[in-house]
Amino acid sequence: AQSVTQLDSQVPVFEEAPVELRCNYSSSVSVYLFWYVQYPNQGLQLLLKYLSGSTLVKGINGFEAEFNKSQTSFHLRKPSVHISDTAEYFCAANSGGSNYKLTFGKGTLLTVNP
Amino acid sequence: DSGVTQTPKHLITATGQRVTLRCSPRSGDLSVYWYQQSLDQGLQFLIQYYNGEERAKGNILERFSAQQFPDLHSELNLSSLELGDSALYFCASSAGERRSGEQYFGPGTRLTVT
Repeated sequence: AQSVTQLDSQVPVFEEAPVELRCNYSSSVSVYLFWYVQYPNQGLQLLLKYLSGSTLVKGINGFEAEFNKSQTSFHLRKPSVHISDTAEYFCAANSGGSNYKLTFGKGTLLTVNP
Repeated sequence: DSGVTQTPKHLITATGQRVTLRCSPRSGDLSVYWYQQSLDQGLQFLIQYYNGEERAKGNILERFSAQQFPDLHSELNLSSLELGDSALYFCASSAGERRSGEQYFGPGTRLTVT
């Protein structure tokens, strides 16, 4: 079964510092990967997605992610974070068969401090 | 705003009761997904409907049921409620049933069972 692991439950950083949120997935077949962000008391918003093609994917709000098949990773990065990036970030995968569900990681709480 | 609406926003009820959560997908989207978010289980897929038909089932309890109506809105029915059913319930929609299709999430319904 598909599984998604987010290696850090919490990541505190200072404003304007770079950040990387790590995500690993397990799958023996082709996989589609997504990053979602959840601001307090809100639903999930899609940041970016990898379907095929270029392994570097750019998303909204200055975020990007790199798909690495050999390491089964899909890490999210931003070169300079803002206070407003404070939120929970979820990595998700969708793979194989007739099941269209998203399998989510446990989430990473990014806290940006002034 | 994702275009997906969910009502009610909050629901407080007692154990043993039954509730209905409602979701309206984005205009034109045929697929509706239900997810449960809790502190201990994280985000879990419950069930998917496509154009009125059940397409995929996840970890949905037998006490829970869902349906999608001809106007494409969906309802999630939770019965014989237990304390452990307290969670945030999200609805998501996508244009079709392609697994590469991104899912757009509603703001969620927070259910509290006392």
